[in-house]
Amino acid sequence: KQEVTQIPAALSVPEGENLVLNCSFTDSAIYNLQWFRQDPGKGLTSLLLIQSSQREQTSGRLNASLDKSSGRSTLYIAASQPGDSATYLCAVRGISGGYNKLIFGAGTRLAVHP
Amino acid sequence: DAMVIQNPRYQVTQFGKPVTLSCSQTLNHNVMYWYQQKSSQAPKLLFHYYDKDFNNEADTPDNFQSRRPNTSFCFLDIRSPGLGDAAMYLCATSRDRDNYNEQFFGPGTRLTVL
Repeated sequence: KQEVTQIPAALSVPEGENLVLNCSFTDSAIYNLQWFRQDPGKGLTSLLLIQSSQREQTSGRLNASLDKSSGRSTLYIAASQPGDSATYLCAVRGISGGYNKLIFGAGTRLAVHP
Repeated sequence: DAMVIQNPRYQVTQFGKPVTLSCSQTLNHNVMYWYQQKSSQAPKLLFHYYDKDFNNEADTPDNFQSRRPNTSFCFLDIRSPGLGDAAMYLCATSRDRDNYNEQFFGPGTRLTVL
């Protein structure tokens, strides 16, 4: 059974710092991995999608990497800003129960203070 | 803009009183999903529709039902809400169910059970 773990559960950093969020998964047989942002009380906004054949994806100040064989992904945020404060969730898409679906981690709650 | 819409954004119901949450999409996607997310936890898939084909997760309680009258709309019915059903309910869509499809999420409905 696929399990997704995100460490740390919470992170507080000063503005301007570069930071790395970690995601690990137990079954390397995945099709893709997606990073989401969730603001308090809100839905999920997709940030980056990495297909299993890819090593990384970049969007603006965000860079996500994928090492499928070791079951790990990282989300790198450059020059963090207070507006980056949110919960970041990763999810892997793989076969479970006969069809493919997303399995989520519990998220890393990020606070960027001025 | 093509999007996933959920109504209402906030729903309060009483213990045992049936409640229906609504999701609509303008993306013309074949697949619609319902997730439950309790506070500080990972979203958990309840079920999904692939076109008109309903797929229930093995551990989804019988108390939760769903309807998809047409491509654009999908409803989540909770027949007898308990205090443990208070959560954020997220609707998502994907163009298809094959391996590489990205899921797009609505803003969520926060359910409170009194």
